[in-house]
Amino acid sequence: DIQMTQSPSSLSASVGDRVTITCRASQSISTYLNWYQQRPGSGPKLLIYAASRLQSGVPSRFSGSGSGTHFTLTVSSLQPEDFATYYCQQSYNTPPYTFGQGTKLEIK
Amino acid sequence: EVQLVESGGGSVHSGESLRLSCAASGFTVSSSYMSWVRQAPGKGLEWVSILYNGGRTYYTDSVKGRFTISRHNSENTLYLEMNNLRPEDTAVYYCARESSGWYDYWGQGTLVTVSS
Repeated sequence: DIQMTQSPSSLSASVGDRVTITCRASQSISTYLNWYQQRPGSGPKLLIYAASRLQSGVPSRFSGSGSGTHFTLTVSSLQPEDFATYYCQQSYNTPPYTFGQGTKLEIK
Repeated sequence: EVQLVESGGGSVHSGESLRLSCAASGFTVSSSYMSWVRQAPGKGLEWVSILYNGGRTYYTDSVKGRFTISRHNSENTLYLEMNNLRPEDTAVYYCARESSGWYDYWGQGTLVTVSS
């Protein structure tokens, strides 16, 4: 199975900051990489699919990049509602479609 | 509007069974790829199973032989039959619709608690 490793596991930042979360795959997954946001008590929400495509309705301050084994999620200017946990997920080839362990973004 | 509503969670003992349901609206389950994803308390997301529109299924290794994913076409509902439950199966279980490799719609989840 493909393993996904996110870094950092947690991150403290302030409103207005630019933050970047990294996700690495244990083997090349081309651009079969998706990012989700999860707020406490809620199901995940799709932010970015196919590594860099913004899901409809998601603010443009979110962006994704990468291919192969190295991917990033960037939030250009943090808003109060962005403090949540973020997960990457690979969907390369056949299942299981594994998730990263998550990155908790907290207010500094 | 697309909606997914899970039900069927509860508290059981090791070795017992539960069947989770995911009622869908706004799209057709039988034409879609549907998955179950779980989240243990305080932990991250874990992919569990997928059912393709053609009927093929996949499972994560830890549930193979114990869990079965299925659907009822006329009720537009996805199921997860869970047998021989273990304490490590304790989690919130989400159903989600897959669209070309990503999960675009998720339910609110249903909690399964397994005690030893």
